[in-house]
Amino acid sequence: SQTIHQWPATLVQPVGSPLSLECTVEGTSNPNLYWYRQAAGRGLQLLFYSVGIGQISSEVPQNLSASRPQDRQFILSSKKLLLSDSGFYLCAWSTQGANQPQHFGDGTRLSIL
Amino acid sequence: AQSVAQPEDQVNVAEGNPLTVKCTYSVSGNPYLFWYVQYPNRGLQFLLKYITGDNLVKGSYGFEAEFNKSQTSFHLKKPSALVSDSALYFCAVRDGGDYKLSFGAGTTVTVRA
Repeated sequence: SQTIHQWPATLVQPVGSPLSLECTVEGTSNPNLYWYRQAAGRGLQLLFYSVGIGQISSEVPQNLSASRPQDRQFILSSKKLLLSDSGFYLCAWSTQGANQPQHFGDGTRLSIL
Repeated sequence: AQSVAQPEDQVNVAEGNPLTVKCTYSVSGNPYLFWYVQYPNRGLQFLLKYITGDNLVKGSYGFEAEFNKSQTSFHLKKPSALVSDSALYFCAVRDGGDYKLSFGAGTTVTVRA
């Protein structure tokens, strides 16, 4: 069966520090991969998605970037964190096809001090 | 463009009573509809989907949803709610020609014993 792993589960970082959040998927090949941010336990904002290695699409201009160095690895990064980057970051995957659901990791709670 | 509306921020029901969480959608093509549940500090869990066919879709944990094309609705239902169903529920839609999901703002369900 397929599984998705995100780490770390929680992270506290000072303003201006760098960020790297990692997401890996097991048990499937060539998945679509997604990064979301959820503010205040409510709506999800799509940040990035990827349909293949090295293929990244950005949904919202911001202080973050994403990379997909391997088929089942998706990384969210920042060179300098802002206070507004605080939130709950969720990674998700789906198989190819518009009728396929996305499956989510358990998220990273990021607090910026 | 695609969008989802969940008109109720909060739904409160007594254990054993029927539970309904409302969702309406807007797409330009054929809709692919999904329901997810989120427990505190966890990722979203997929409950069920509508792609085509029977308007009544059955999913995990005793949940079902009814697709109504004329009313552009996809309401989530459970005949007899449990205290453990207390969580945040999200409706999502994907236009048939797009692989990005649009999520509603979420509905908090509280089931009292």
